[in-house]
Amino acid sequence: DTAVSQTPKYLVTQMGNDKSIKCEQNLGHDTMYWYKQDSKKFLKIMFSYNNKELIINETVPNRFSPKSPDKAHLNLHINSLELGDSAVYFCASSHGTGGLGSPLHFGNGTRLTVT
Amino acid sequence: GESVGLHLPTLSVQEGDNSIINCAYSNSASDYFIWYKQESGKGPQFIIDIRSNMDKRQGQRVTVLLNKTVKHLSLQIAATQPGDSAVYFCAETGSSNTGKLIFGQGTTLQVKP
Repeated sequence: DTAVSQTPKYLVTQMGNDKSIKCEQNLGHDTMYWYKQDSKKFLKIMFSYNNKELIINETVPNRFSPKSPDKAHLNLHINSLELGDSAVYFCASSHGTGGLGSPLHFGNGTRLTVT
Repeated sequence: GESVGLHLPTLSVQEGDNSIINCAYSNSASDYFIWYKQESGKGPQFIIDIRSNMDKRQGQRVTVLLNKTVKHLSLQIAATQPGDSAVYFCAETGSSNTGKLIFGQGTTLQVKP
């Protein structure tokens, strides 16, 4: 299947722990993103990478560190997890840098619960 | 600041009726607008898009209308089906015209059998 896939789907962890979420796309897209969806379903961009280079960083705490080993993968590592990090995290990808005529394709999300 | 908003948080329609979901945006520099559908437990799924030089675009059972004068976007779904039940988001590219999408807060569409 052609898709954006992310793992794990659910992640429950305690405050202070470090965790990673992985994302892979086989759509041949150039740019990958991390979006965060809060409990009110509001979606906001966190990061984007184009061909392994960071192009968008939306004032996210530096406890969050994205890593892109190649243009098909974008992982998200979170240090010292806090209660407020609980949310659903979506990976997405697009042709070019997104924008005009290049809609984002989203994965099915990782629900992170910090206790 | 930039924001995209939806007029109604929940829309309830009878199966077979037409649905209209509205969206207001604030950035007149936006060139590109997208509607996404999000089903429970899944990621946003692309439905239809429209460029700022168009005022209407049709897909299969869906139509997007853009009124740049009043900065208004709408999604029309014809003959609404139970499978259309989901949260619908409008999104705009804002002044960056990149994948940094600005999303509205979403409208929940409930289809009654």
